[in-house]
Amino acid sequence: DAKTTQPTSMDCAEGRAANLPCNHSTISGNEYVYWYRQIHSQGPQYIIHGLKNNETNEMASLIITEDRKSSTLILPHATLRDTAVYYCIVITYNFGNEKLTFGTGTRLTIIP
Amino acid sequence: DVKVTQSSRYLVKRTGEKVFLECVQDMDHENMFWYRQDPGLGLRLIYFSYDVKMKEKGDIPEGYSVSREKKERFSLILESASTNQTSMYLCASSLGRMRTSGGRLAKNIQYFGAGTRLSVL
Repeated sequence: DAKTTQPTSMDCAEGRAANLPCNHSTISGNEYVYWYRQIHSQGPQYIIHGLKNNETNEMASLIITEDRKSSTLILPHATLRDTAVYYCIVITYNFGNEKLTFGTGTRLTIIP
Repeated sequence: DVKVTQSSRYLVKRTGEKVFLECVQDMDHENMFWYRQDPGLGLRLIYFSYDVKMKEKGDIPEGYSVSREKKERFSLILESASTNQTSMYLCASSLGRMRTSGGRLAKNIQYFGAGTRLSVL
């Protein structure tokens, strides 16, 4: 699976959009980009995933560049409850055999 | 909503004890996973199972074993606990292979429990 690079930490004002970047320059054609987050003292939580098209759900939007070498997770109106560590993961879609390799992620702090 | 329940949030054991960590999921998922999470090391896969009585080693299986006698339950066993097994243990489950919904491939999302923080003294 391709490696990912994320900033160690970011701050965002409450109510503003939080944009979390992820670099995955060695991604291959059959690898998906997944985002999870982990709020303090809880298990990781799935947010969104995509292959090459931009995706949106009730939690966030995922923008993947045309060359697929990077992506951005967007939380449109950040709240204090969005303070968490956010993990970008690239995995091959093996229908269940895939393991999740979480790096150190980005620690996002929402400022009141 | 998918629910993955881990039997304990906090556990304190002594070196040499046999430790059982239990995980139950209520969504009829085929796959179940055990990870440990340590500061600076991220999440590491210990074992996973894709069916009852089936198990596969992950990246760090040494010192651990697992049991999956029923589809909904996946147990992690520390045969003789050691201090270097002090960690946060996370259980996860996912739907399984070749599932479709409405003609589209099902998202194979892993759902996590709240974690068990194990201290071995």
